Amino acid sequence: RKEVEQDPGPFNVPEGATVAFNCTYSNSASQSFFWYRQDCRKEPKLLMSVYSSGNEDGRFTAQLNRASQYISLLIRDSKLSDSATYLCVVNEGNQFYFGTGTSLTVIP
Amino acid sequence: NAGVTQTPKFQVLKTGQSMTLQCAQDMNHNSMYWYRQDPGMGLRLIYYSASEGTTDKGEVPNGYNVSRLNKREFSLRLESAAPSQTSVYFCASRLSGGPIQYFGAGTRLSVL
Repeated sequence: RKEVEQDPGPFNVPEGATVAFNCTYSNSASQSFFWYRQDCRKEPKLLMSVYSSGNEDGRFTAQLNRASQYISLLIRDSKLSDSATYLCVVNEGNQFYFGTGTSLTVIP
Repeated sequence: NAGVTQTPKFQVLKTGQSMTLQCAQDMNHNSMYWYRQDPGMGLRLIYYSASEGTTDKGEVPNGYNVSRLNKREFSLRLESAAPSQTSVYFCASRLSGGPIQYFGAGTRLSVL
């Protein structure tokens, strides 16, 4: 069983739409949680950390449910520049486990 | 600010050839990582080095060796390349205990 599972998509949404991505993780002892963004043929970059209390960064809201081992990312008012692959990442000690990524294309 | 620098950016090898992928970071980070990324598989950890002088296997270490040359540099060696090692390789670093990994731009390797 994979450590981190994501719906690969693709998600194709119009500009201005709200889109949500989900992720589950298998190890209840996992310590830290993140969403990374990866543009085509580029390296992953941190989008935001995820906390149980939920956290927001502009149009992006992330949520962690430790009881269900579930992580979510909500993007409001989608922009063309949001088109990318979004990676769910879980940290256990010195190791990080990556989901396969969810592809988002925002359409004009 | 260079961050994490990987060389080369592209490489084509023949089966059985050897090569070393170089990675250097200038952020004074303790921990460094090598990942490979394949379509539909996500990033998978090959080896990591939690601190200078230590290295540990990750999820997919077979066919690879690593050297933590000093605090800045962490190299990945393919002794006898195989077509199954065709992939994009990313090096990353982070401050020990810190939450964020910083990635290099990647090395695109094809083994024919």
